[in-house]
Amino acid sequence: AQSVTQLGSHVSVSEGALVLLRCNYSSSVPPYLFWYVQYPNQGLQLLLKYTSAATLVKGINGFEAEFKKSETSFHLTKPSAHMSDAAEYFCAVSEGFQKLVFGTGTRLLVSP
Amino acid sequence: DAGVIQSPRHEVTEMGQEVTLRCKPISGHDYLFWYRQTMMRGLELLIYFNNNVPIDDSGMPEDRFSAKMPNASFSTLKIQPSEPRDSAVYFCASSLAGTDEKLFFGSGTQLSVL
Repeated sequence: AQSVTQLGSHVSVSEGALVLLRCNYSSSVPPYLFWYVQYPNQGLQLLLKYTSAATLVKGINGFEAEFKKSETSFHLTKPSAHMSDAAEYFCAVSEGFQKLVFGTGTRLLVSP
Repeated sequence: DAGVIQSPRHEVTEMGQEVTLRCKPISGHDYLFWYRQTMMRGLELLIYFNNNVPIDDSGMPEDRFSAKMPNASFSTLKIQPSEPRDSAVYFCASSLAGTDEKLFFGSGTQLSVL
């Protein structure tokens, strides 16, 4: 069965600093991988997705993620954090059939 | 489109009472999912439907939980009887086949069982 592990339940950065949120996956078949973002009191929104095309995936709000098969990783990055990026971020994996398995989430805190 | 609509936004009930959560998916979407979010367990898939038919209910915690989708535009998640440990945020999401599994989430129902 597929699964994802997100390292760090909380990540704190200063405004303007690099954002790096880590995700490792486990899957028996080539996976689909996703990053979703959840703002307070809202549902999850798709940031970006990897579906076996280019290994570097660009998403909304300046985020990107790189699929590394050798490391079974799909880390999320943003060169310069903005206060509005403060939210909870979820990595997810799917082996098809519309069924996603989510990680436990990483809360990103951005300080001025 | 208005997106996925869930009601109520907040529900406070007493232990033993029946709770019904409602969801209207995005028109034309053929998959509907119910997730539960807690601090301890994160986001868990409870059940999902394809074309109104339950496909996988292995995440439903126990027989107190049931879900129905009588038509393409409406689904319910029922808990009877409710218990304090059911307190969580319940999300409904929908998606369209062939779109690389992009899920659209509702705003959730915050359930508190006292």
